[in-house]
Amino acid sequence: DTAVSQTPKYLVTQMGNDKSIKCEQNLGHDTMYWYKQDSKKFLKIMFSYNNKELIINETVPNRFSPKSPDKAHLNLHINSLELGDSAVYFCASSSGTGTTQPQHFGDGTRLSIL
Amino acid sequence: GESVGLHLPTLSVQEGDNSIINCAYSNSASDYFIWYKQESGKGPQFIIDIRSNMDKRQGQRVTVLLNKTVKHLSLQIAATQPGDSAVYFCAEIVGSSNTGKLIFGQGTTLQVKP
Repeated sequence: DTAVSQTPKYLVTQMGNDKSIKCEQNLGHDTMYWYKQDSKKFLKIMFSYNNKELIINETVPNRFSPKSPDKAHLNLHINSLELGDSAVYFCASSSGTGTTQPQHFGDGTRLSIL
Repeated sequence: GESVGLHLPTLSVQEGDNSIINCAYSNSASDYFIWYKQESGKGPQFIIDIRSNMDKRQGQRVTVLLNKTVKHLSLQIAATQPGDSAVYFCAEIVGSSNTGKLIFGQGTTLQVKP
């Protein structure tokens, strides 16, 4: 049983397009996150939601808009894709606010902009 | 500023030997630290965590040591196996309980030679 699942696993698209990545967790966690991992493997948090409320919003272009329809789902919509958006995007979840319990990650969505 | 650094980008060990992966952190107020393992094509996988009121914690074949005086964290893997080959990240929680975020180090690639 997959705990944190993301779709799609791979996403190849043209510059300027709009795309979405979906994430679902079946762990009953309260908090969900989006991270971006660049080509040097550096992982950086983008957003976190706790019980559908935005908690952390790092300095991310407003072309990126997270949406949490319920606490088990956190989707990421990206408008007007740019070459620099190419990366692997990871969804994660944790119980509580994630500051005293480990975060559990999905297997990532590899986004390639042509 | 916030930063978590690792001393070596790559560590190569012989199968059966012990591995030690080091990490330095900068935020003396951090009180929760986590080690993650990332295999190729997968998301970061939780290995072990430690709180600042401890200086050592053991798991199955892994031990984490925390030295708050010099802000240093290490992961020891006993009897390293080929399946341990991966990128290892240390991470610290920075910030208060509701807005705390996980800051990752750059990662150390562990290569296990047969």
